[in-house]
Amino acid sequence: GAVVSQHPSRVICKSGTSVKIECRSLDFQATTMFWYRQFPKKSLMLMATSNEGSKATYEQGVEKDKFLINHASLTLSTLTVTSAHPEDSSFYICSARQWEAGDEQFFGPGTRLTVL
Amino acid sequence: DAKTTQPPSMDCAEGRAANLPCNHSTISGNEYVYWYRQIHSQGPQYIIHGLKNNETNEMASLIITEDRKSSTLILPHATLRDTAVYYCIVEVGDYGQNFVFGPGTRLSVLP
Repeated sequence: GAVVSQHPSRVICKSGTSVKIECRSLDFQATTMFWYRQFPKKSLMLMATSNEGSKATYEQGVEKDKFLINHASLTLSTLTVTSAHPEDSSFYICSARQWEAGDEQFFGPGTRLTVL
Repeated sequence: DAKTTQPPSMDCAEGRAANLPCNHSTISGNEYVYWYRQIHSQGPQYIIHGLKNNETNEMASLIITEDRKSSTLILPHATLRDTAVYYCIVEVGDYGQNFVFGPGTRLSVLP
């Protein structure tokens, strides 16, 4: 299957700082990428859908000014958590849909963010 | 809200078949049934999906009832590495697809 990578895999930051997480489709072009967050022992929650070259569509309750998403190319989307606070600590997972190759989404390995 | 219901947990003996049920009674005609699994602290992994017909691949089989209101994921010979949370999702398989994950079924494969 297609491969999606995320960087970094783990990050610890101080409260008030911003953190950028990268999501890359390594061997295919992804016209659509999705960002999820997951709290311990909970299911994944979709945060936003991002289409290459256009603004992301955020789910209800997700602050777009806090979680900045950029999908500048067909292989890269970034999520920036701005002015992070301890309650933003979570597991962030991206996924990508492969253009013209079926309907499944391919997920990245996730990024564990800890805000002190 | 997720459109599916699954049992919260199941046990299965190693080497036996694991049969994971999923109810999706409100599924519409153009919605696919997808199965993903998530091993602890990793991203979800695609397993299989189908629309009407039963499907089989190298990982699993998917049995969809004739009325499409429920389905069963079958892992034919479960191993300890199949211990994971399994998510059943229904979604339209088109360009605007996004998934709503329910709580899933935590499958424990026991030695």
